[in-house]
Amino acid sequence: SQTIHQWPATLVQPVGSPLSLECTVEGTSNPNLYWYRQAAGRGLQLLFYSVGIGQISSEVPQNLSASRPQDRQFILSSKKLLLSDSGFYLCAWGRQALAKNIQYFGAGTRLSVL
Amino acid sequence: AQKVTQAQTEISVVEKEDVTLDCVYETRDTTYYLFWYKQPPSGELVFLIRRNSFDEQNEISGRYSWNFQKSTSSFNFTITASQVVDSAVYFCALSDVSGGGADGLTFGKGTHLIIQP
Repeated sequence: SQTIHQWPATLVQPVGSPLSLECTVEGTSNPNLYWYRQAAGRGLQLLFYSVGIGQISSEVPQNLSASRPQDRQFILSSKKLLLSDSGFYLCAWGRQALAKNIQYFGAGTRLSVL
Repeated sequence: AQKVTQAQTEISVVEKEDVTLDCVYETRDTTYYLFWYKQPPSGELVFLIRRNSFDEQNEISGRYSWNFQKSTSSFNFTITASQVVDSAVYFCALSDVSGGGADGLTFGKGTHLIIQP
């Protein structure tokens, strides 16, 4: 069966510090991978998605970037965090044929930028 | 552009009552998928159901049922005989199949459901 792992679970970072959140998927190959952010009182916003190694599509221009160095690894980064980057970050995977366009989510990372 | 509206920000009912969560969507696509996810206090999103735009049959799974009406662009979710464990934030979401369906989901802002014992 497929599983998705995200870490860390919580993170407190000062303004201006770098960020690296990691997500890995097990039990499937060539998944589509996604990063979403959930700000307080708001819905989920798609940040990035990837259909393959090195292929990143950005939905919202911002202070963040994403990379996919391996087939089942997706990384969310920032060189300098802003206060507005605080939120709940969720990674998800999906496969059109295998998962019928359903996206399965990780447990999330709660990021507080102070 | 796609849009999902969940007009109910918060609903509070007493245990064993039935409750319906509303979802209205907008899309220009003729083929699309609709989803419901549950987000318990732990934060992880749990997939509940997927429905494609060609299948308007209502679906029932235990105490959960879904009513898809293309004519009104709605995909409502009903919990029968609610339980305290149903307390969570529920999200309705939409995706199209252009681009091979790899695009992300468009979520509503969620409905916070509180079941009081």
